Amino acid sequence: QVQLVQSGAEVKKPGASVKVSCKASGYTFISYGISWVRQAPGQGLEWMGWISAYNGYTNYAQKLQGRVTMTTDTSTSTAYMELRSLRSDDTAVYYCAREGRYCSGGSCYSREYYFDYWGQGTRVTVSS
Amino acid sequence: QSALTQPASVSGSPGQSITISCTGTSSDVGSYNLVSWYQQHPGKAPKLMIYEGSKRPSGVSNRFSGSKSGNTASLTISGLQAEDEADYYCCSFAGSSSYVFGTGTKVTVL
Repeated sequence: QVQLVQSGAEVKKPGASVKVSCKASGYTFISYGISWVRQAPGQGLEWMGWISAYNGYTNYAQKLQGRVTMTTDTSTSTAYMELRSLRSDDTAVYYCAREGRYCSGGSCYSREYYFDYWGQGTRVTVSS
Repeated sequence: QSALTQPASVSGSPGQSITISCTGTSSDVGSYNLVSWYQQHPGKAPKLMIYEGSKRPSGVSNRFSGSKSGNTASLTISGLQAEDEADYYCCSFAGSSSYVFGTGTKVTVL
């Protein structure tokens, strides 16, 4: 079965960086994209960016450009999200989510634009 | 990209139907039939309930249905049940591998 398992909670000081991992299993990692979504305490979901696990192409939310980097390690089927110059308003639960893909007969074709599997979330607290 | 607009809360009695709206712009909801809906219970990860506006993933109750008109998408829950009490978020593809989420709606079963 498809699983996305994320790394544990982090506490960071303002100005530091954090790197969250998301290990995928149960499917062909390079056939799907991964998005990262965060949720501040008591707030809604915020899309942060997307990475193709096939070729590493990325697209980041404009407000995070320059502070966020998303990468993948296809040898371990793991996606990473690094956020730099942390501020208190980066305190949130960070989720990885697999983007849909139309697959049939063992082959995958077009992207499908929704998130069908989610990681369990990683709490990142930024505090001095 | 501004968040899609949803009502903060919607409530209904067991067995009733409720509808949650999700209003975007001609750059997101209005341009693509690619709105998805997610259910989130407290402390849990979101769960996909509807994709491509009106399609249900395997395992999701047919009490959940979606539609779209112009720049507004809607999620209807019929035969409301206690287990439906949760937060609901819409999400639209917004072009160039980007997405935008809605502000979220808290559904209360009275």
